[in-house]
Amino acid sequence: DGGITQSPKYLFRKEGQNVTLSCEQNLNHDAMYWYRQDPGQGLRLIYYSQIVNDFQKGDIAEGYSVSREKKESFPLTVTSAQKNPTAFYLCASSTYVRTNYGYTFGSGTRLTVV
Amino acid sequence: GESVGLHLPTLSVQEGDNSIINCAYSNSASDYFIWYKQESGKGPQFIIDIRSNMDKRQGQRVTVLLNKTVKHLSLQIAATQPGDSAVYFCAERGKLIFGQGTELSVKP
Repeated sequence: DGGITQSPKYLFRKEGQNVTLSCEQNLNHDAMYWYRQDPGQGLRLIYYSQIVNDFQKGDIAEGYSVSREKKESFPLTVTSAQKNPTAFYLCASSTYVRTNYGYTFGSGTRLTVV
Repeated sequence: GESVGLHLPTLSVQEGDNSIINCAYSNSASDYFIWYKQESGKGPQFIIDIRSNMDKRQGQRVTVLLNKTVKHLSLQIAATQPGDSAVYFCAERGKLIFGQGTELSVKP
């Protein structure tokens, strides 16, 4: 079955560490996205990528980095510069960015700083 | 600026009642809208969509109404069940932003 897979489901990070969240899709989608969700909040866009080797900052990119070396993969690194990283992270994909007919979301990664 | 937003952050209904979740948008040129359901601890899932050339679209127990005059859409859930408890988001085609969502709670 085609879909989008995020791993791990739960992640714990010590202060000052970088961590990388995985996102893989086999939907042959060109566009991929990372969103952050805090309790009682909506989805805030961190980064998005329209094609391989290209990505753009979203509204809250500070303290995060991404790469898009393969069409199927869009990993997100939460760096030590992100002061409040505890949140629920969602990856999504779509056919294109501006003309898509909806997103397919992963099941999310819950990151906790300990 | 352009935005997509929901009117109320929370909605509580009795099991078996109908639920109505509202959403306003600001871009009159928007041509396609989607409703997503997000259960606790999970990613949002597609529920139903509607194109701007339609006023109404029905699915299984869900209906979406689009009023282009006032730039408003609503999601109606018939005979609400405990399994409908979730956060509901509306979204526009091509927009990367989502509103806060409405959290629907169903009382047994």
